[in-house]
Amino acid sequence: GQQVMQIPQYQHVQEGEDFTTYCNSSTTLSNIQWYKQRPGGHPVFLIQLVKSGEVKKQKRLTFQFGEAKKNSSLHITATQTTDVGTYFCAAPNTGTASKLTFGTGTRLQVTL
Amino acid sequence: NAGVTQTPKFQVLKTGQSMTLQCAQDMNHEYMSWYRQDPGMGLRLIHYSVGAGITDQGEVPNGYNVSRSTTEDFPLRLLSAAPSQTSVYFCASSSRTGPDTQYFGPGTRLTVL
Repeated sequence: GQQVMQIPQYQHVQEGEDFTTYCNSSTTLSNIQWYKQRPGGHPVFLIQLVKSGEVKKQKRLTFQFGEAKKNSSLHITATQTTDVGTYFCAAPNTGTASKLTFGTGTRLQVTL
Repeated sequence: NAGVTQTPKFQVLKTGQSMTLQCAQDMNHEYMSWYRQDPGMGLRLIHYSVGAGITDQGEVPNGYNVSRSTTEDFPLRLLSAAPSQTSVYFCASSSRTGPDTQYFGPGTRLTVL
């Protein structure tokens, strides 16, 4: 089945440092979504990217969709302890758009 | 709006028992789905529905049944629980007929002994 690879699996940063997680697919994606899950919580939708080369910003978060629509990244500038959690990318299957495939997630730990 | 609600929050079963995980949404969403989350494996799609009366299999459907008799409810049935089904289960819904902008419920933590 379709696979969406996400790296790194885990990152530990000090507050104020930047953080980036990457999502890669071997197939062209129709769109890519990003979710955040706090420890013990449920995934919360952050954003959806649809266009080739699209860049969207939400305060300190910057989301990019690659030109070939096969990769995406989430960059957090000057992390805060409130950024702690696991970040997932997700994309509709190439064959069946009604199915969403999630990446394995990147767990971010932020310490003072 | 309560959003997406799930019951129970926690459940312990013995191998072979059956049970139903409940999911309801009050946003009049067409698309609903069930995921399981295991450590290091992200979320995997079990079953989904694009509208009342329509269901289809996801990535890991074996051992689970679903039905969608109303727009609001999408229960997940475990037919004969196995230890491999120990997981956290999330229900989600989307306003479109596809998995755009999914709203997740709080989850059910299931342990099968």
